[in-house]
Amino acid sequence: EIVMTQSPATLSVSPGERATLSCRASQSVNSNLAWYQQKPGQAPRLLIYGASTRATGIPARFSGSGSGTDFTLTISSLQSEDFAVYYCQQHNNWPLTFGGGTKVEIK
Amino acid sequence: QLQLQESGPGLVKSSETLSLTCTVSNGSIRSSSYYWGWIRQPPGKGLQWIGSISHSGNTYFNPSLESRVTISVDTSKNQWSLKVYSVTAADTALYYCAGQAVVGTGGLDPWGQGTLVTVSS
Repeated sequence: EIVMTQSPATLSVSPGERATLSCRASQSVNSNLAWYQQKPGQAPRLLIYGASTRATGIPARFSGSGSGTDFTLTISSLQSEDFAVYYCQQHNNWPLTFGGGTKVEIK
Repeated sequence: QLQLQESGPGLVKSSETLSLTCTVSNGSIRSSSYYWGWIRQPPGKGLQWIGSISHSGNTYFNPSLESRVTISVDTSKNQWSLKVYSVTAADTALYYCAGQAVVGTGGLDPWGQGTLVTVSS
């Protein structure tokens, strides 16, 4: 089973600032990495797939990068609606596995 | 666009069986384009993938749950189901169903709204 590790667990950022979230896989997942955003009381929403491709309707301020074992989600200028929990997930191998999440909170 | 909706009891007694169904709208569960999956989230915690099934009935499970879980498809009702046997309080969670593209994105999208299942003693 591939273990996904996200850091930091919590990220305090001011509106308008840049946020950088990290995700590391215990073995290579190639580019088969997705990012999700989850707000309180809502289901997760797919943001990024293939490590770097934005899903339909996702604003350009969200970008993903990386391949192999190290991945990054960057939010270029945080808007109020971006404060949420973010999860990475690999789909290179069964079983599918998620990272523990990064909570992006208002500083 | 494809929409998913979970249904099932919100309260299950300890040692009994949790049963949930996910119904597909605006699409067909026969589609070879998707795996159909279940994910859960204990209160205040992260996401745990439970398992997935293909349109042809191939199943994939989380090893930590595999001995207690079955997933099946009912093409006549355009839905798929989850059963978790011998539940305990640790199975209390928000349960989501989701589609996963076989090719293309590979991500879990769409998701159902989720349904809370509480295991009582």
